[in-house]
Amino acid sequence: AQTVTQSQPEMSVQEAETVTLSCTYDTSESNYYLFWYKQPPSRQMILVIRQEAYKQQNATENRFSVNFQKAAKSFSLKISDSQLGDTAMYFCAFMKPSSGNTPLVFGKGTRLSVIA
Amino acid sequence: EAGVTQSPTHLIKTRGQQATLRCSPISGHTSVYWYQQALGLGLQFLLWYDEGEERNRGNFPPRFSGRQFPNYSSELNVNALELEDSALYLCASSPPPGQGSANEKLFFGSGTQLSVL
Repeated sequence: AQTVTQSQPEMSVQEAETVTLSCTYDTSESNYYLFWYKQPPSRQMILVIRQEAYKQQNATENRFSVNFQKAAKSFSLKISDSQLGDTAMYFCAFMKPSSGNTPLVFGKGTRLSVIA
Repeated sequence: EAGVTQSPTHLIKTRGQQATLRCSPISGHTSVYWYQQALGLGLQFLLWYDEGEERNRGNFPPRFSGRQFPNYSSELNVNALELEDSALYLCASSPPPGQGSANEKLFFGSGTQLSVL
């Protein structure tokens, strides 16, 4: 079974600074998908970024980028120019590939606080 | 386009009672997933429904059950409620396979906060 580990329960960062959230996972699959989701106080889960394991290039979405190290099974999220609105819980998630949809496996989350 | 909607927003029950939570997926989505988010435990997968069938089940007792209706909406039922069932229950939906890159994305509702007293 796949597992996802987020070793940082809480982190804080000054506004406009850069912060990196860590995520490691365990799988025997060679192809899969990795995600970072954001959950603000509104509780709505919002997809931040997605990475396909067969792609070597790290995914980027505006201020958000990932460092995907397949051999090390590591998938960290970097947030540049942090903004107050980035304050939220961040969840790393794994999905096996299949011909259909399969459930996501989530880590326990990292609570990020952006300080003015 | 309306997102995933869940009702009720909050639900308060006592031990031993039954709770029913409802979820309406995004129009055109055929898969519905239920997750439990208890404090400090992240999101735990509960159930997955697709085209009216239960496709997969997480490591939860049988008193957690559900169904998916012909219009793809879904219900989660929790029988014989226990105090540790208090959690945020999130529903997510996804489109049918083959619909481009959206196939790998789950779209979440805002959840139902269940409190068991």
